[in-house]
Amino acid sequence: LAKTTQPISMDSYEGQEVNITCSHNNIATNDYITWYQQFPSQGPRFIIQGYKTKVTNEVASLFIPADRKSSTLSLPRVSLSDTAVYYCLVALAGYSSASKIIFGSGTRLSIRP
Amino acid sequence: DTAVSQTPKYLVTQMGNDKSIKCEQNLGHDTMYWYKQDSKKFLKIMFSYNNKELIINETVPNRFSPKSPDKAHLNLHINSLELGDSAVYFCASSHHRDRGQETQYFGPGTRLLVL
Repeated sequence: LAKTTQPISMDSYEGQEVNITCSHNNIATNDYITWYQQFPSQGPRFIIQGYKTKVTNEVASLFIPADRKSSTLSLPRVSLSDTAVYYCLVALAGYSSASKIIFGSGTRLSIRP
Repeated sequence: DTAVSQTPKYLVTQMGNDKSIKCEQNLGHDTMYWYKQDSKKFLKIMFSYNNKELIINETVPNRFSPKSPDKAHLNLHINSLELGDSAVYFCASSHHRDRGQETQYFGPGTRLLVL
């Protein structure tokens, strides 16, 4: 069963690119990788999802190496409003147990002016 | 026009009481979830449910029971509340696509404090 590991916290400055890495050494063939963002007193919000290689949308990029044992969320030119907790999620396609949805411990990203 | 809503937003109660948290989604999704987020911010899934099956995380005590009157609602009933049940409970929903690929939409959370 895939477990995920993320840095507890990261700091950066406005306008910088931020990369947050999630390790999932035991990821299975059918697992997808999804990243969520959570602001204080709110529920998590979907950012991006991928299976392999690179995925890009209007807010972020997701890099997944060939062995898929890690993934990196890249936020270009961050602003103060990107201060939040970022969760990495590994979910088994075709899972038969709710316990197969595993959220990471989250990375608390703080952006400074 | 809230996509996933939960009530109440805050719930303070005594040990041993029975309480319910309600969740509604207007996204037309067919799968709904309950998560527990503890003080350390760990998000742990408790249940996922669609019209056809209830999938239970086996570590959840049987004091917790989801009840779904229809596809748009999934309520969480908790019996005999304990101090350790204090947490933020999130409801979420998604389309029932290939599992693992669903984008989940979360509610604002219910903050439960058991005294």
